[in-house]
Amino acid sequence: EDQVTQSPEALRLQEGESSSLNCSYTVSGLRGLFWYRQDPGKGPEFLFTLYSAGEEKEKERLKATLTKKESFLHITAPKPEDSATYLCAVQANTGTASKLTFGTGTRLQVTL
Amino acid sequence: DAGVIQSPRHEVTEMGQEVTLRCKPISGHNSLFWYRQTMMRGLELLIYFNNNVPIDDSGMPEDRFSAKMPNASFSTLKIQPSEPRDSAVYFCASGRGASSGNTIYFGEGSWLTVV
Repeated sequence: EDQVTQSPEALRLQEGESSSLNCSYTVSGLRGLFWYRQDPGKGPEFLFTLYSAGEEKEKERLKATLTKKESFLHITAPKPEDSATYLCAVQANTGTASKLTFGTGTRLQVTL
Repeated sequence: DAGVIQSPRHEVTEMGQEVTLRCKPISGHNSLFWYRQTMMRGLELLIYFNNNVPIDDSGMPEDRFSAKMPNASFSTLKIQPSEPRDSAVYFCASGRGASSGNTIYFGEGSWLTVV
């Protein structure tokens, strides 16, 4: 069974204080690892997909990296508008199945 | 482009009543997913369809839950009879499969409260 564990559950940063979120996973053949951002009262918003160990992707202050066992979401010099819950999900490489298995997320709060 | 459209956004109903949640996926997407989100369990996959055909419904909690996809542009998730423990946010999501990197896109959710 595919499993995703995210840490920490919650993180409070001051504006400009860089940090990283962790996503550990077990999957029967990884097709893709996904990062989403979720704001209160909204649906998850797609950020990145990573496909193979060593791959990195960047978007503004966010950079996602992938190893064979975990992924990191690095946040550089965060701003208050980066406050959200960040969700990690894996997709197994099984036929045509494209379902995602999610972790429980990291709630990030960035203060002035 | 319009995203995934869900209705109703909010529903409050009494225990025992039937609840029907509706979803219109993004045009051209051939996969559709129903997820449930709670504080305790996070996002859980209930069921998903490929080309309107149910592929995996192992996440459906029990027989009170049913889902249909009569055509490529519409799906419903029905709970009958509803119970207080069904209170959650129900998300619909759609994807285009391997041709789009398998990314799935979520709607804004239907917030269900059963009293």
